[in-house]
Amino acid sequence: EVQLLESGGGLVQPGGSLRLSCAASGFTFSSYAMSWVRQAPGKGLEWVSVISGSGSNTYYADSVKGRFTISRDNSKNTLYLQMNSLRAEDTAIYYCAKAPLGNCIGGRCYMIDYWGQGTLVTVSS
Amino acid sequence: QTVVTQEPSFSVSPGGTVTLTCGLSSGSVSTVYYPSWYQQTPGQAPRTLIYSTNTRSSGVPDRFSGSILGNKAALTITGAQADDESDYYCVLYMGSGLWVFGGGTKLTVL
Repeated sequence: EVQLLESGGGLVQPGGSLRLSCAASGFTFSSYAMSWVRQAPGKGLEWVSVISGSGSNTYYADSVKGRFTISRDNSKNTLYLQMNSLRAEDTAIYYCAKAPLGNCIGGRCYMIDYWGQGTLVTVSS
Repeated sequence: QTVVTQEPSFSVSPGGTVTLTCGLSSGSVSTVYYPSWYQQTPGQAPRTLIYSTNTRSSGVPDRFSGSILGNKAALTITGAQADDESDYYCVLYMGSGLWVFGGGTKLTVL
């Protein structure tokens, strides 16, 4: 059974940093792209970032580019999101998600299938 | 900046059929956008219904189906049930690894 468990959320001041983790199990982690998606309170879903299975390819939404860094440790089956220069508008539940297709090429590799339960990040003074 | 459009709200009668759509502010949606659909109830994580236009995620009943209708992606729910009352989101692939979600559709079953 696929399981994704996020951690690392919390309260941080504007301009601060936070690192989110997502522990994965139930599948061959290194074969699948992984994504982060966030949801501000009362708002819709916003795609944040995706990383290929090997970790060699990463992509970011314009709203976080240059401030957030996605990474993974395939030896630990863990996905990360390093968030720097945090702003009030980054306040959201952050979900990690797994792609449905493994060992593939192209945009279809970065689709989203399984979701974690999310971790709340609050940026406030 | 391309905007992904969805109906803000929709209603369906129990047992009825409803089709939600996902379009682009400019241009037509096709399979190369790998349209996907997600269901979310308040306080819960999203659940994937459909990915890559028409592939149902594991465990999703065949009452949910995806397609391309005209210039939009579509999610059709047949035999609507009370617990289908949720928010529904689509997402489209914009190329270069980038994805954009629609604003979501709030579906009411009454």
